[in-house]
Order: sequence, then C-alpha cells, then structure tokens
Amino acid sequence: AQSVTQLGSHVSVSEGALVLLRCNYSSSVPPYLFWYVQYPNQGLQLLLKYTSAATLVKGINGFEAEFNKSQTSFHLRKPSVHISDTAEYFCASHPGGNTGKLIFGQGTTLQVKP
Amino acid sequence: GAVVSQHPSRVICKSGTSVKIECRSLDFQATTMFWYRQFPKQSLMLMATSNEGSKATYEQGVEKDKFLINHASLTLSTLTVTSAHPEDSSFYICSARKGGRGAQETQYFGPGTRLLVL
Repeated sequence: AQSVTQLGSHVSVSEGALVLLRCNYSSSVPPYLFWYVQYPNQGLQLLLKYTSAATLVKGINGFEAEFNKSQTSFHLRKPSVHISDTAEYFCASHPGGNTGKLIFGQGTTLQVKP
Repeated sequence: GAVVSQHPSRVICKSGTSVKIECRSLDFQATTMFWYRQFPKQSLMLMATSNEGSKATYEQGVEKDKFLINHASLTLSTLTVTSAHPEDSSFYICSARKGGRGAQETQYFGPGTRLLVL
C-alpha cells in the first residue's frame, strides 16, 4: 500500500532560521504531492503542489519543496521562518486514478521561537 | 481562488441528538467532496467520499447509517451525525475537489467544525 512518511513529529527552530520538514513517499510511480499547513483550530491551507512540471516547487509564504525521485522525497523548506509559521504541516500524496483520495502523512508540528 | 466554507464552526449538542454540518464550495463547482475526521494531535482520517448526485463512498470502518452524507448540488455536501454520542466528539473537516483529473486537480479544505457531544 502506498504511504507518506513525515520524519520528525515536532520541529522547533528560532525565528529567522532555515527550516526543513521531511516527507518521503512510497510509490512505484511518482505521485502528485502536496504540502498543506494547518493553523490551530482551522482547516488545511494548500502551500504548494508537485505535478511533475518542475522538481523545485515554490509555494506561498516563502515555502518551497524539492521533489527527488531517487530518494522518493518531497521535503519542504523555508530559508527564514517567522513566528507566524508556527503550525502543523502535512505532506500528502495523490497516487493518481479517479478517486481523488489523498494519502496524508502524520504531520509535523513546527514551532518557531522568538 | 478556491474557497470552501463549513457551517457551523462549532457545535455543542446533547447525546442522542443529530447534528448537520454543511460544506460549501463558494467559487467553484465540486462534483466530489471529502469528509475527514481529525483527533487531537493526529492526521486526518478520511471518512467518506461525497459524490454529487450519487451515494457516498464510505471508508472501511465508518458507519454509513451513523454518518449520513448528502451531496445534492455541485456546491454543497452535508454530513449528518445521527444519534451523536460523546465518542463522536471530534474535529470534522471537509474538502472539495477542484479541477480535472491528475495534475490539474487539487483538494481545497474547509475551516473545520468542532463537535462536542455532552
């Protein structure tokens, strides 16, 4: 079965630091990949998505992610985080097909300290 | 843009009553919507796929008679929790599928509904 793994359930960094949130997928065929952010008591907001057009994907709020087929990874990074980036981040995979279902990772809590 | 709304945002009800949650796609049509449940500090658990004009498809282990889904129009899906009990207390999130198939499609999420059953 296909799966998405996010390494590190909790990441804590200082404001202004670089942050890297890790995501690995398992699939024989590269899927479509997404990163979503969830602020407390809110739904999910799309940060960016990979659709095979380019390996480096730029998203909103200064985030970007790089697709690496050989490592089956889609890590999210931001060069300089802000306190307002404190939130839960989810990596998700769309394996293709007609159902439209997403496979979510476990989530990573990002805490940005002043 | 792609905006999805949910109503209500919070609801408190007594055990045994039914609660209806609405999910609307405000600026696009969605033939497919999804209902998720999220427990504290956990990821989203897909409950069912809501298809406009047809019956919903439920995930394994989700009681279809307990969680009634209706997708009567291209912009509205409703989830009714029937005879709610305290264990149904949770955060319910819907999403709407926008775009074609494959690379064009994206799920956009509602803000969620916090249900507390007393």
